[in-house]
Amino acid sequence: EVQLVESGGGLVQPGGSLRLSCAASGFTFSVYWMSWVRQAPGKGLEWVANIKQDGSEKYYVDSVKGRFTISRDNAKNSLYLQMNSLRAEDTAVYYCAIARGLDVWGQGTTVTVSS
Amino acid sequence: DVVMTQSPLSLPVTLGQPASISCRSSQSLVYSNGNTYLNWFLQRPGQSPRRLIYEVSKRDSGVPDRFSGSGSGTDFTLKISRVEAEDVGVYYCMQATHWPPWTFGPGTKVEIK
Repeated sequence: EVQLVESGGGLVQPGGSLRLSCAASGFTFSVYWMSWVRQAPGKGLEWVANIKQDGSEKYYVDSVKGRFTISRDNAKNSLYLQMNSLRAEDTAVYYCAIARGLDVWGQGTTVTVSS
Repeated sequence: DVVMTQSPLSLPVTLGQPASISCRSSQSLVYSNGNTYLNWFLQRPGQSPRRLIYEVSKRDSGVPDRFSGSGSGTDFTLKISRVEAEDVGVYYCMQATHWPPWTFGPGTKVEIK
């Protein structure tokens, strides 16, 4: 069964950092681009970042450029999102997904940025 | 960035009746290879989004055939031939032709009358 499981969310103060992880199983992780998508409370979906199979290309939504870094470890079948300089507006559920048109999603992990 | 709009934003429906959601993009979603990367997702209450339709009209595995997608260029439609109770939730269209960024529509909330 294809599965994505996010972890690492929590409560963090403004200006703080958090690292999200996404464990992949049931498919050949290394052959797919991967994505992070977020959803603020009561709001719609927002694409955050994509990473190429070998990590050589990374793309971000403008609002997180310079603060967030997407990465992956194909040996561990894992995707990451390092989030620095967090702001209140980064509060959201963060989903990882296969960037194959976002056909498979994880269950999400909640990030709350608040003092 | 490509702006995606949806209408209506709220859609009360009667069980067994058809429903239709419109999605429009601020520019053509036809890619240089001739494909159109327009997807539809359903997010049921309390769940992660699930893709229903990709490339305008291709149904994902396991998606009932009462769901259909159509359209071209900048105008797209998701239709449900006969609404069932499990179809309640928020429907999003998303374009992946012009990126970064991939962009989603604001969502259409479908509920039973």
